[in-house]
Amino acid sequence: DVKVTQSSRYLVKRTGEKVFLECVQDMDHENMFWYRQDPGLGLRLIYFSYDVKMKEKGDIPEGYSVSREKKERFSLILESASTNQTSMYLCASSLTRGQGGYTFGSGTRLTVV
Amino acid sequence: AQSVTQPDIHITVSEGASLELRCNYSYGATPYLFWYVQSPGQGLQLLLKYFSGDTLVQGIKGFEAEFKRSQSSFNLRKPSVHWSDAAEYFCAVGARGANNLFFGTGTRLTVIP
Repeated sequence: DVKVTQSSRYLVKRTGEKVFLECVQDMDHENMFWYRQDPGLGLRLIYFSYDVKMKEKGDIPEGYSVSREKKERFSLILESASTNQTSMYLCASSLTRGQGGYTFGSGTRLTVV
Repeated sequence: AQSVTQPDIHITVSEGASLELRCNYSYGATPYLFWYVQSPGQGLQLLLKYFSGDTLVQGIKGFEAEFKRSQSSFNLRKPSVHWSDAAEYFCAVGARGANNLFFGTGTRLTVIP
């Protein structure tokens, strides 16, 4: 079964810490995405990548950066975590532009204290 | 501008009753349309998708959706709801050549015995 794996289900970090959220897919997908999910706001796109070492800003990139050194791995980085970054983070991947059919990971619930 | 509206934040239905979840979209290009389901604490799972052709599409778990271009709608239906259908449902829109999807804010479904 194809999978998108997020390294942590739950994470608690302190304000100001540098936080790494890891996502790995085993489907040889070109496109990978990071979303955050908050009640009443739905899913908001943070960053996406359609190739190795490529990245594009989504709707809410401020306070985040990403890294894609290998096709299967897409990392989200919070340079200096803040309490307003407490959220559910979802990673997804897809095979072809415009075809959608994202495959999502199980999510990482991050709490910044 | 692209947008997806799910007008119902929360719906409660009795087990065995029929279900319709509403989705309206605004998109400049010919849309690709999707429905996803999210169980508590989990990532999103694709239920069904529409790219072209027959406007009534069948998905997993007995769900179906109908694309109505004139109404810019893509409503999700199920003839008889099961308790295990309790979850949050997201409608999403994308397009050929586009990198990412736009998601609605979700509809939470509660199923009562």
